[in-house]
Amino acid sequence: GAVVSQHPSWVICKSGTSVKIECRSLDFQATTMFWYRQFPKQSLMLMATSNEGSKATYEQGVEKDKFLINHASLTLSTLTVTSAHPEDSSFYICSALMTGQLYEQYFGPGTRLTVT
Amino acid sequence: AQSVAQPEDQVNVAEGNPLTVKCTYSVSGNPYLFWYVQYPNRGLQFLLKYITGDNLVKGSYGFEAEFNKSQTSFHLKKPSALVSDSALYFCAVRHSSNTGKLIFGQGTTLQVKP
Repeated sequence: GAVVSQHPSWVICKSGTSVKIECRSLDFQATTMFWYRQFPKQSLMLMATSNEGSKATYEQGVEKDKFLINHASLTLSTLTVTSAHPEDSSFYICSALMTGQLYEQYFGPGTRLTVT
Repeated sequence: AQSVAQPEDQVNVAEGNPLTVKCTYSVSGNPYLFWYVQYPNRGLQFLLKYITGDNLVKGSYGFEAEFNKSQTSFHLKKPSALVSDSALYFCAVRHSSNTGKLIFGQGTTLQVKP
């Protein structure tokens, strides 16, 4: 149980285009999901907290107009990287909190984004 | 401010030997502590957590961790390392905001050699 999926697992896009990454909780409901960014051999950087039915809360320094987050249902959150540039290339990981719990995040497998 | 420190970038151990990956934390209030493992190009896998109760926490794949309040540490241990344990390990503490956010350490690469 408590499986989180991400789609796609990897994507290559051209500079200036937009890319959408999906995060789904497959067997539980998640009121809250988190989006992280990870550079090679580095720790996870929290980008934003995604709450079902409300606006996402972005961490300081994260451009909300560039990284659009939508959490339209209790099992799906999406991250759209708009007007992508090569510096947006990274590994993006989502996680989900089971509704009613505040202890354990369940992580997706990650999405490798390469912007050319 | 809350923080988590993993003082070692890399830990090297021979297969069959015990391993320790260190973690210290700084929080206000009671700490909720976690260990995760990450294999290359993969997401994080949960190993274990400390919320309350026994200081020695047993987790997945034979790992355990000891919560030490006086030393503000939560070191990850395994009695006998396997080559397949080689991965990136993260210690984390739950943020005091009660939003479920986690604060991660910088990660420690564990290398187990045959």
